[in-house]
Amino acid sequence: QVQLQESGPGLVKPSETLSLTCIVSGGSILRDYWSWVRQPPGKGLEFIGFVHYSGSTNYNPSLKSRLTIAVDTSKNQFSLKLKSVTAADTAVYFCARLKDRPYYFDFWGQGSLVAVSS
Amino acid sequence: QSALTQPASVSGSPGQSITISCTGTSSDIGGYEYVSWYQQHPGKAPKLLIYEVTKRPSGVSTRFSGSKSGNAASLTISGLQADDESDYYCTSYTSRSTLVFGGGTKVTVL
Repeated sequence: QVQLQESGPGLVKPSETLSLTCIVSGGSILRDYWSWVRQPPGKGLEFIGFVHYSGSTNYNPSLKSRLTIAVDTSKNQFSLKLKSVTAADTAVYFCARLKDRPYYFDFWGQGSLVAVSS
Repeated sequence: QSALTQPASVSGSPGQSITISCTGTSSDIGGYEYVSWYQQHPGKAPKLLIYEVTKRPSGVSTRFSGSKSGNAASLTISGLQADDESDYYCTSYTSRSTLVFGGGTKVTVL
């Protein structure tokens, strides 16, 4: 059973960089894709992006200019960096496994609330 | 990319069937058989209900079924139960090689 766990600061100042890590256990990161999804308080889910173990990425076009998702296969983990954050980036951030074709999220982390505030 | 369109809310009585629609375009739902559906209870991570339009993961009740026609997909919940009261989201693969979610539908069991 694959398990994912997010970690990172719960509070980030405006204009700074939001950084989160997702540790994968119970399965290898060397298959499928590894993704980030966020959910602002009281709102719906938003796709952020995903990374393949090879390092290739695909990002939500609306976030692409501020976003970096990377994988560390030696640690079986992947990360999210979102720069120049504003209050609109306040959300619960989920990491999830995205199955390679047919592209569905089958395992999810519990979510990590990140607030952007001074 | 624009979110897929779902009704904000759907309700039904116990035992009834309800259907949640999810409308996209030829660049997402209409172009691929990669539609999936998720259930999310408050404060919890989403749970996969349907993938590849119609397939159910092991352990998901047969009361949940999916379909697609053109640029729209649907999730049907039959034999509605109290525990089905939750938020439901559709998602689709897109021509930009990304994923897009629907805005979510709150299901209320009357």
